[in-house]
Amino acid sequence: EAQVTQNPRYLITVTGKKLTVTCSQNMNHEYMSWYRQDPGLGLRQIYYSMNVEVTDKGDVPEGYKVSRKEKRNFPLILESPSPNQTSLYFCASTIAGSSGNEQFFGPGTRLTVL
Amino acid sequence: GDSVTQMEGPVTLSEEAFLTINCTYTATGYPSLFWYVQYPGEGLQLLLKATKADDKGSNKGFEATYRKETTSFHLEKGSVQVSDSAVYFCALMTTDSWGKLQFGAGTQVVVTP
Repeated sequence: EAQVTQNPRYLITVTGKKLTVTCSQNMNHEYMSWYRQDPGLGLRQIYYSMNVEVTDKGDVPEGYKVSRKEKRNFPLILESPSPNQTSLYFCASTIAGSSGNEQFFGPGTRLTVL
Repeated sequence: GDSVTQMEGPVTLSEEAFLTINCTYTATGYPSLFWYVQYPGEGLQLLLKATKADDKGSNKGFEATYRKETTSFHLEKGSVQVSDSAVYFCALMTTDSWGKLQFGAGTQVVVTP
């Protein structure tokens, strides 16, 4: 089954404790990205990757890091989480090329930073 | 910059009612337009899309037409069901920012029996 998986699905942590949210896709997609969803703001892109070893900032990259060492994986790293990073996070992937291509989303990770 | 504006919710309807969710956009060039749906506790799924002016996207009884002259992509369904209760997001993607979806704030739809 074609899918994007994320782990963990739920996480409660404390300020300053480093964490990683994993994302994996099995569709051989070149393009992967991370979004955060906040009430009244929709989804905003944090980081994206056009292919292995190619990453760039989205609209709200502050406080986040990413890496793309393998095509299927795109982890999101919070080196020192803060309460304003409490949010619902989605990983997405798509085939490189046309702007009309569907993006496939993971199930989401709900993060609470105390 | 690019932006999407959609009507605020929640929108509460009775089963079999007509649903319209307004969406307008601002973008340079000719964006592709999308409607994504988020069911409770799940990720987003593509509902329909249109990639050029006057295209009509349709799926599961939902329709939306790409109107370049009014920069709009309103979502409609003639007869909603309880199972249509979800959050609906209008989004665009431009060739300048390929891969990045610019989302509206989302509209929660609640359908009651």
